[in-house]
Amino acid sequence: NAGVTQTPKFRVLKTGQSMTLLCAQDMNHEYMYWYRQDPGMGLRLIHYSVGEGTTAKGEVPDGYNVSRLKKQNFLLGLESAAPSQTSVYFCASKGDSPLHFGNGTRLTVT
Amino acid sequence: RKEVEQDPGPFNVPEGATVAFNCTYSNSASQSFFWYRQDCRKEPKLLMSVYSSGNEDGRFTAQLNRASQYISLLIRDSKLSDSATYLCVVDLAGNNRLAFGKGNQVVVIP
Repeated sequence: NAGVTQTPKFRVLKTGQSMTLLCAQDMNHEYMYWYRQDPGMGLRLIHYSVGEGTTAKGEVPDGYNVSRLKKQNFLLGLESAAPSQTSVYFCASKGDSPLHFGNGTRLTVT
Repeated sequence: RKEVEQDPGPFNVPEGATVAFNCTYSNSASQSFFWYRQDCRKEPKLLMSVYSSGNEDGRFTAQLNRASQYISLLIRDSKLSDSATYLCVVDLAGNNRLAFGKGNQVVVIP
């Protein structure tokens, strides 16, 4: 069972570059989430989705966009990366059960 | 007031001792509560859900106090392998938008 899979695991970007983080889940979960985790800050919600074709802003959405074209996939985009977006990004999904997390993506923006 | 608050610690615990910590939440309409464990640089993993009547899983006991709006986690007979950060997670108002505390860092000392 794959569960929640995030790609890539690591990435280094230069300021101004763009990239997309992919999250895929095989548990048929309705809800999907993108969090970022920074030292001393805990997990903060960026965007989330309550079903295919829907997205909503979380606590820290600025500088990010998301799409949920298919139920199993939730994409997080950075259009113009900034050093403040250096962080560890976690995707999670949820059905009737508690959250299941992916392994995380470590992003550095120089 | 923050949605979910935890004292980050660290909680330095002698091996074999008992440690307990609380997590307070601000929204009285919150319905679901969880404890997650996170090891360094890894994704959070579900430790246990917290039920109204309290629940126990081996050496771990979770309690919910709705009147005072906090949940607690108690670890008995601490093992070195219990060293981790314990995250409190609250489903705010039952709308599947989950809020995280910053975590309680536990260090079990030989």
